Amino acid sequence: RKEVEQDPGPFNVPEGATVAFNCTYSNSASQSFFWYRQDCRKEPKLLMSVYSSGNEDGRFTAQLNRASQYISLLIRDSKLSDSATYLCVVTLKTSYDKVIFGPGTSLSVIP
Amino acid sequence: NAGVTQTPKFQVLKTGQSMTLQCAQDMNHEYMSWYRQDPGMGLRLIHYSVGAGITDQGEVPNGYNVSRSTTEDFPLRLLSAAPSQTSVYFCASTPSGSGGGYTFGSGTRLTVV
Repeated sequence: RKEVEQDPGPFNVPEGATVAFNCTYSNSASQSFFWYRQDCRKEPKLLMSVYSSGNEDGRFTAQLNRASQYISLLIRDSKLSDSATYLCVVTLKTSYDKVIFGPGTSLSVIP
Repeated sequence: NAGVTQTPKFQVLKTGQSMTLQCAQDMNHEYMSWYRQDPGMGLRLIHYSVGAGITDQGEVPNGYNVSRSTTEDFPLRLLSAAPSQTSVYFCASTPSGSGGGYTFGSGTRLTVV
């Protein structure tokens, strides 16, 4: 089983829609969780951290379920500019901060 | 503020050639890493460094060397390029103890023929 798994998509949604991505991780000792966004042929950029209590940043809401070992990202009122690949990231504390990137979920927001 | 700067942006190598991918950051970050990204595989860690003079192997280190003589620079050397090393390479940095909050460079697209 892969350490971090995501639905590859693509998710094709109309402008204004609400879309949710899920991510599962296999190691229960995982400590930190993030969502990154990667535009086509660009570098990944940190979108938001994910906290145990859940957190919101404008139209974006991230949640963590440690018992079930999954993370979610909800995007409300989708914009064309939200079209990108969303990477789920999990960190393990070993001799260093082992950072594991999921393969990404592709989102296309359609006019 | 330049952030993380990678050069070159594109490179074509012949099998067996060697080259160095450059990475520099101006944020005084202690942690620096090299990743490769292949379709359907996600980002995979090649080598990382937790500070000047300290480097270690990641998930896919074979065929690559690194050094960290200064806080700012973290070059990646391909010793003898192989077609399997065709990929997009990203350098990333983060302050010590910040977990996965990385700043990435813009990447180097490498093709080995």
